[in-house]
Amino acid sequence: GAVVSQHPSRVICKSGTSVKIECRSLDFQATTMFWYRQFPKQSLMLMATSNEGSKATYEQGVEKDKFLINHASLTLSTLTVTSAHPEDSSFYICSARQRGTPNNEQFFGPGTRLTVL
Amino acid sequence: ELKVEQNPLFLSMQEGKNYTIYCNYSTTSDRLYWYRQDPGKSLESLFVLLSNGAVKQEGRLMASLDTKARLSTLHITAAVHDLSATYFCAVPDSGTYKYIFGTGTRLKVLA
Repeated sequence: GAVVSQHPSRVICKSGTSVKIECRSLDFQATTMFWYRQFPKQSLMLMATSNEGSKATYEQGVEKDKFLINHASLTLSTLTVTSAHPEDSSFYICSARQRGTPNNEQFFGPGTRLTVL
Repeated sequence: ELKVEQNPLFLSMQEGKNYTIYCNYSTTSDRLYWYRQDPGKSLESLFVLLSNGAVKQEGRLMASLDTKARLSTLHITAAVHDLSATYFCAVPDSGTYKYIFGTGTRLKVLA
């Protein structure tokens, strides 16, 4: 149980284009989903928290107009990187918190590697 | 602001040796999570520590939590090459469901 998927697993795009990454909770309802970014040899940095049906909460320094997050249902959140540039190349990982989880545990997706040329 | 630090950042050890990774955090939390990350992969959950004094063991890894000292340890016993990976601790931010991750410890076990 508690499986989170991401799609695509890997994407290469040209500078200036937009890329959408999907995060799905496959066997549970996720009231809250989180988006992290990880640069090579660094830790995970939280970008934003999204709750189903409401606007995402972005961490300080994360441009909300550049990283659009939509949490349209209890099983799906999307991250759109708009007008991507090479510095946006990174490993993007989502996680989901299961409704009613007593210990607030997050379940992590397999990640999406974005390369912007 | 919650800060989570790990040490060491890098650890190179011989097979068969023991070592401990430390995770310190700056504000009160009664739970802590440990993860393993292999190169190019996402996180694999290792331990969920939910209270002061919690101790959990899985194979050659044992994790403990001291909430009063704001310290968790991940102890490696008789290391084997397969344990080579990066290990992260994560602490939930008080009042939210956000995790703050430690800096990570890159472990290399030499044959």
